[in-house]
Amino acid sequence: RKEVEQDPGPFNVPEGATVAFNCTYSNSASQSFFWYRQDCRKEPKLLMSVYSSGNEDGRFTAQLNRASQYISLLIRDSKLSDSATYLCVVNRNNQGGKLIFGQGTELSVKP
Amino acid sequence: DTAVSQTPKYLVTQMGNDKSIKCEQNLGHDTMYWYKQDSKKFLKIMFSYNNKELIINETVPNRFSPKSPDKAHLNLHINSLELGDSAVYFCASSQSAGGADTQYFGPGTRLTVL
Repeated sequence: RKEVEQDPGPFNVPEGATVAFNCTYSNSASQSFFWYRQDCRKEPKLLMSVYSSGNEDGRFTAQLNRASQYISLLIRDSKLSDSATYLCVVNRNNQGGKLIFGQGTELSVKP
Repeated sequence: DTAVSQTPKYLVTQMGNDKSIKCEQNLGHDTMYWYKQDSKKFLKIMFSYNNKELIINETVPNRFSPKSPDKAHLNLHINSLELGDSAVYFCASSQSAGGADTQYFGPGTRLTVL
């Protein structure tokens, strides 16, 4: 079983739709949680960190459920420019900056 | 100015050759990393250096040898290249080795071994 699991998709949605991505992680020692975005043939970039209380950044909302070891990302009012692969990432802080990446969920937003 | 840069961007070579990939960051960060992204798109950490010292060394064949001449540079040398080494290699850096720090990735080096 992979340490971070995501539905690879692809998710094909129309502009303006709300889309939700889920992710589970297996190691309860994980301490830091992130969503990264990777455009086709580009490097990953941090989209947002995920905090226990949940956090929002514009159209993006991230939630963390430590008891269930579950992370989510909600994108409201999808734009064409949101098309990318969204990577769920965890880190066990006692292992320095070792990020564990999920396989990524591909999102395609259509006009 | 590019924050994390890598050279070359593309590398095509024959099996058995030795090649190097260079990485530089101008962010003043203490920690640098090498990741490998395979054909299935999984990103996996290979190595990490903090202030020129190796702190993470995953299960990587010893044909791969990182070198950090100073904290702004982390190079990756690969000996006796194999077909399975074909992948995209990303360098990254972060302010410190603390797990909560944002990691900034370079544009990647696409290695193809023929």
